[in-house]
Amino acid sequence: DAGVIQSPRHEVTEMGQEVTLRCKPISGHNSLFWYRQTMMRGLELLIYFNNNVPIDDSGMPEDRFSAKMPNASFSTLKIQPSEPRDSAVYFCASSLSPGLAKNIQYFGAGTRLSVL
Amino acid sequence: AQKITQTQPGMFVQEKEAVTLDCTYDTSDQSYGLFWYKQPSSGEMIFLIYQGSYDEQNATEGRYSLNFQKARKSANLVISASQLGDSAMYFCALREGGGRALTFGSGTRLQVQP
Repeated sequence: DAGVIQSPRHEVTEMGQEVTLRCKPISGHNSLFWYRQTMMRGLELLIYFNNNVPIDDSGMPEDRFSAKMPNASFSTLKIQPSEPRDSAVYFCASSLSPGLAKNIQYFGAGTRLSVL
Repeated sequence: AQKITQTQPGMFVQEKEAVTLDCTYDTSDQSYGLFWYKQPSSGEMIFLIYQGSYDEQNATEGRYSLNFQKARKSANLVISASQLGDSAMYFCALREGGGRALTFGSGTRLQVQP
């Protein structure tokens, strides 16, 4: 079975440019999560979707960040304009619907973003 | 207060020995789940083991087991018979009953020595 697929794996861009990160969740999973990992703040939730609807976006740093889930098999995280402090590893994770006790989140390989 | 605390930034263990990685948590929910993930140097996050707050038995998955002490709010990961490939960062995470996202600890870097 294919796991969570993220693209690109690495992104290097210049300050002020738009960056789009992509995620394909595991088929059949209807919860999707975006996390960011930095040395200073560790792993933190940015936003999560259930059945393609954003449920909690309280972790999105500011208006420069936006996330969409147009269908059950695709999500994007966009940063516009990007800043050096956005440099981090961005993970996408998916899980089965809440209500199942175990509800394991499976992570993609991550996108390492460097903003110069 | 921190929801998840991992007090060991780094640990060393000899190959084939057992090692315990500490995790304490803070929640007022009665229903919650505790998760451990492994992050090798390649960067991916690998799910290892899960413990539910209502589970009566400690969770086990192969060489991984969870020492769950509910009254002390601790969920320590035990790795038996360490292997060189176990060298990685290990994260403890909490999912509280009303939420669906995970709150992660700061992690423990484990190094297995030959």
